[in-house]
Amino acid sequence: DQQVKQNSPSLSVQEGRISILNCDYTNSMFDYFLWYKKYPAEGPTFLISISSIKDKNEDGRFTVFLNKSAKHLSLHIVPSQPGDSAVYFCAASGSGTGNQFYFGTGTSLTVIP
Amino acid sequence: KAGVTQTPRYLIKTRGQQVTLSCSPISGHRSVSWYQQTPGQGLQFLFEYFSETQRNKGNFPGRFSGRQFSNSRSEMNVSTLELGDSALYLCASSLRWGIEQYFGPGTRLTVT
Repeated sequence: DQQVKQNSPSLSVQEGRISILNCDYTNSMFDYFLWYKKYPAEGPTFLISISSIKDKNEDGRFTVFLNKSAKHLSLHIVPSQPGDSAVYFCAASGSGTGNQFYFGTGTSLTVIP
Repeated sequence: KAGVTQTPRYLIKTRGQQVTLSCSPISGHRSVSWYQQTPGQGLQFLFEYFSETQRNKGNFPGRFSGRQFSNSRSEMNVSTLELGDSALYLCASSLRWGIEQYFGPGTRLTVT
């Protein structure tokens, strides 16, 4: 049973525009959320995180928004750059679930120059 | 600081055989986790080791096992390989359980 879902397998965006990647979760005990970026032939790289006490966290061009009532988080990349082309995974964990990370299936982002 | 390293990077095995994968975490990281990535399934958690003890375990059969050495290096073993075990196996390390993890490049296992 997939507790973290990324329903868009792929996304294409023009360079300079905003990329919005979405993630939904089902377990209300999740209280810590992360985004990872993965290039081919490399392992996932940690990008940004947010805890459930916040609804927004920003790091440079990357912002993560958390909507707890909707059990939804999103990653905004502004402006998008060709080097952002990668697979993005969201992950969630919670003390109530043993702090194990549950990952989504990933969204492949292509930024078109 | 050197990143997480995994060996070998690629492996081809036959059904019924066993395989051992190796992971060296970032220096100072004592928590090492293993994940299986297959198309359409995302990353599935296998187990986590801390100070040579398995502390957390995912929902995988007993054919999947691991261990951690005193220098925090970890190995994962899969016995009696099945075709469905073909996957990318990722190792991740962190200072402690429950915080962001740093991943190695993975070992691509193909079972024929």
